[in-house]
Amino acid sequence: QKEVEQNSGPLSVPEGAIASLNCTYSDRGSQSFFWYRQYSGKSPELIMFIYSNGDKEDGRFTAQLNKASQYVSLLIRDSQPSDSATYLCAVTTSGTYKYIFGTGTRLKVLA
Amino acid sequence: GAVVSQHPSRVICKSGTSVKIECRSLDFQATTMFWYRQFPKQSLMLMATSNEGSKATYEQGVEKDKFLINHASLTLSTLTVTSAHPEDSSFYICSARSVPQNTEAFFGQGTRLTVV
Repeated sequence: QKEVEQNSGPLSVPEGAIASLNCTYSDRGSQSFFWYRQYSGKSPELIMFIYSNGDKEDGRFTAQLNKASQYVSLLIRDSQPSDSATYLCAVTTSGTYKYIFGTGTRLKVLA
Repeated sequence: GAVVSQHPSRVICKSGTSVKIECRSLDFQATTMFWYRQFPKQSLMLMATSNEGSKATYEQGVEKDKFLINHASLTLSTLTVTSAHPEDSSFYICSARSVPQNTEAFFGQGTRLTVV
């Protein structure tokens, strides 16, 4: 079992819709959870992070964490074509602060 | 967010030569820097963790004699790919964490290495 799993997609949503991206992780001791966006040929850029169970909102983005079920999700409201990218979920392992990345979900927002 | 500068952004080298990639934290001190490699359509794979003033910790399967990492100061880490071969062609990305320990990591722009 991979440590951090994501559906590779592509996930296609129409412009203005809500895009829902999911990520599961295997290490119950994981402490911090991050969502990065990566455009083709570019380096990842941080969208948001979450440490505690529940929801965290930042503009059009909402991260949701459920440690009991070991999943973290990212909702993008009012999706725009410029949101089309690969979204990477990253988890820091307990005690090491190393980031473990999922394989990423490719999102396509259709104009 | 904090700025991490990586140089060069692209490099083409001949098989058998060595290439050095620099990673600098411009506006913060980074006690820990990470080096990743990403092949097309794949995720970032951690190669090594670099701590200022000490030896890097390499992930399983990464040859430390081939990928030399130096973290001589709190703002600079370098990755040298020695005796590069075509299979080393990849996108190399560094990331850095600030001091005091802050779990957010910021990424450099990445280096596209092509070995011909």
